[in-house]
Amino acid sequence: KNEVEQSPQNLTAQEGEFITINCSYSVGISALHWLQQHPGGGIVSLFMLSSGKKKHGRLIATINIQEKHSSLHITASHPRDSAVYICAVSFDFGNEKLTFGTGTRLTIIP
Amino acid sequence: DVKVTQSSRYLVKRTGEKVFLECVQDMDHENMFWYRQDPGLGLRLIYFSYDVKMKEKGDIPEGYSVSREKKERFSLILESASTNQTSMYLCASSPLLAVSYNEQFFGPGTRLTVL
Repeated sequence: KNEVEQSPQNLTAQEGEFITINCSYSVGISALHWLQQHPGGGIVSLFMLSSGKKKHGRLIATINIQEKHSSLHITASHPRDSAVYICAVSFDFGNEKLTFGTGTRLTIIP
Repeated sequence: DVKVTQSSRYLVKRTGEKVFLECVQDMDHENMFWYRQDPGLGLRLIYFSYDVKMKEKGDIPEGYSVSREKKERFSLILESASTNQTSMYLCASSPLLAVSYNEQFFGPGTRLTVL
């Protein structure tokens, strides 16, 4: 069964701390996505990766294809970063479906 | 600005009622999806449509049906609502795979409670 696992499930940190959220998957993928969900439900796409590293502002996403692992980093964390972060993968190129991790709930305390 | 809208943010229905959840996208996307999201389980795919009048079952289609009569609109139907269908329902859309590598655009969600 194709699976996606995230860790930790919950993370609480002080404002300014460096944050790392991890995602591992069971078999080869065509692409990996990091998504953000704020309280109230709306989900936005942060990154889409098939190799290497991407950076957007204080957010950095990396992927190691050989180890089947991705990390999302947040530098200089801020209370507005508090959200659920979700990893999702597409296992087959030509298959439009995504398989989602269960999410990491991040809380940044001022 | 791209947009996926859902007909209701909150909905309360009674057991046995027929429930319609509507989703509209203004991006001319081919693919549309219905998910439900439950604590500890993540997003699970209910149904998927890749074209008008075309649909595919997802991982948990039991108790649900869908309709896609127009490209921009994808409806989820609960024929006879049950309490175990209380959940957050999220609609998403995406353009053709070759363009997007599966990037999906999500609606705000409908929190459905079945009493």
